[in-house]
Parts: sequence; C-alpha cells; structure tokens
Amino acid sequence: GAVVSQHPSRVICKSGTSVKIECRSLDFQATTMFWYRQFPKQSLMLMATSNEGSKATYEQGVEKDKFLINHASLTLSTLTVTSAHPEDSSFYICSARENYPYEQYFGPGTRLTVT
Amino acid sequence: QKEVEQDPGPLSVPEGAIVSLNCTYSNSAFQYFMWYRQYSRKGPELLMYTYSSGNKEDGRFTAQVDKSSKYISLFIRDSQPSDSATYLCAMSSANQAGTALIFGKGTTLSVSS
Repeated sequence: GAVVSQHPSRVICKSGTSVKIECRSLDFQATTMFWYRQFPKQSLMLMATSNEGSKATYEQGVEKDKFLINHASLTLSTLTVTSAHPEDSSFYICSARENYPYEQYFGPGTRLTVT
Repeated sequence: QKEVEQDPGPLSVPEGAIVSLNCTYSNSAFQYFMWYRQYSRKGPELLMYTYSSGNKEDGRFTAQVDKSSKYISLFIRDSQPSDSATYLCAMSSANQAGTALIFGKGTTLSVSS
C-alpha cells in the first residue's frame, strides 16, 4: 500500500508556543489530505480536510485560527497548532486517499504534549 | 443516532479463536467500507476495503457487507497474539479522493497465547 509519513512523531512544547506537524505522501500524489485528532481510547475525530492549493475545510467546532492547515504541494500538508494549551495535547494523525482506487492511508501520528 | 456504531469491547479471546467484529450504520448512502487496525500509539493501518455488499477474503481476514441490514463484519480466523489491537470500521458514500471517511469508535481486541 501507499505510504504516508508524519513528522515529528512526538513533540513537547510549552503553553503559548506554536507547533508545526508535517504530513507527506511518499509514493503518490494527494490532492486531498485529512487531519484527525484522537484522544486516548477514543476514535478518530476529523478536524479538517486539506485541499492542495486552496483553503482547508474545517469540521464544526474546530477553530480554524488555532489549527492552521497549509497544503502547499501534492505531497505535503502541514498542521500548525498556534498558541498551544494543555487541552490541545492529543494524538494528531493525517491521512490521504489515492486518486484510484481511493484507499485511504494514514500517517503514523504525532503525539503532542503541551506543558 | 450516530452514523456508525461499533462496540468498543474490550474483546478477549484465546489464540486460535475466530473473532467477529461488527459495525452498524444509519446512512444508506454509504457504499465503501473499510477496516483498519490500529496498534497503540500508531496510525491506523488499512486491512480490508470493500465496495457495496458481499464478502472479501484476504488471508485470515474476511470482510462482509450487508447493505440491506446496514451491517458490516470483519472475521479473523486462527487469531494470533499479534492481532491484539484496536479495529476500526470506516465508510463513505463517495469513492472520491476528497471524501473523508466516517469512523466507528473502534473495538479493542486482545488475543492471549
């Protein structure tokens, strides 16, 4: 299957700082990438859909000014958590669907801890 | 009613058992169904991908879709301790790269040796 990478795998930051997470599709081009958030023992919650060359579409309840998404190329999307607070601590996972056969692949996730 | 319902478990079975994992859904427009396996602190890994109704088999794994009942299943034969993980069902109405999947909560499976 296709490969999606994420960097960093783990990050610890202080409250009030910003953190950038990168998501790359390594062997296919992804016009659309998705960002999810997962709390311990909970399912994946879709945060936003990232479209190459255009603005991201955010799910209801997700602050777009806090979670900045940039999809600069067909293989790279970034999520920046701005002015992070302890309640933003979570597991962030990106994914991408191939254009055909549309299978969706996930990155390994980034564990964010805000102290 | 949530769009996708999945019993979170946990489900504990002995090695070699047949495991049955299930999801129900409410949106009749769903046509594409997937099963993912997620190990602790890792991203989900795609196991099975099926379209519409019917069965699909891949090694020890069999996926079944019954659209009339809005019910999907994943069977694991000869379960192994390495199968211990959380299994997530996911589905979508459109087979397009821009369509996000809707996930169940996941079922935690533990296979003991």
